[in-house]
Amino acid sequence: DAKTTQPTSMDCAEGRAANLPCNHSTISGNEYVYWYRQIHSQGPQYIIHGLKNNETNEMASLIITEDRKSSTLILPHATLRDTAVYYCIVRSGGSNYKLTFGKGTLLTVNP
Amino acid sequence: GAGVSQTPSNKVTEKGKYVELRCDPISGHTALYWYRQSLGQGPEFLIYFQGTGAADDSGLPNDRFFAVRPEGSVSTLKIQRTERGDSAVYLCASSLMGGDYEQYFGPGTRLTVT
Repeated sequence: DAKTTQPTSMDCAEGRAANLPCNHSTISGNEYVYWYRQIHSQGPQYIIHGLKNNETNEMASLIITEDRKSSTLILPHATLRDTAVYYCIVRSGGSNYKLTFGKGTLLTVNP
Repeated sequence: GAGVSQTPSNKVTEKGKYVELRCDPISGHTALYWYRQSLGQGPEFLIYFQGTGAADDSGLPNDRFFAVRPEGSVSTLKIQRTERGDSAVYLCASSLMGGDYEQYFGPGTRLTVT
């Protein structure tokens, strides 16, 4: 699976949009971009995933560049409960089951 | 509905002892995963079960670690002759099937080896 690069930490004001970047320049054609987050002392939680089209669900939006070498997770109205470590993971489709986590981005939402 | 549960939530043991960590997956989920998370790191894959069989145990660090899932539901991770380096949070996840399906994680068991 392709390696990802994320900033170590980011801050965001409560109520504003949080934009979390991820670089995955070696991604191949059949690899998906997944985002999970981990709130302190909890297990990781799935957020969203995509292949090449932008995706949106009730939690977030995922914007993938046309060349697929980077993506951005957008939390449209961050709340204090969104403070967590956010992991960007690139994973092959089909039978690949492993999630390979990096160190992620610690997002701190400030009041 | 009930999520993935793990017991105990915390376990303190002495170096050299044997420990068992239990995972109850979401009902009906055929795939089950174990991960280990050290302080400041992301979770690291250990083993994947599809049904009762271990489809991939390549992440187990050595032969002191073993996991079973005899009836295709509950799984137990077993660690023999524990070492201080085994101290970590052990996470279990389940998914409806293997592959692309979303993995649902439990809260983890924090293992401390003294």
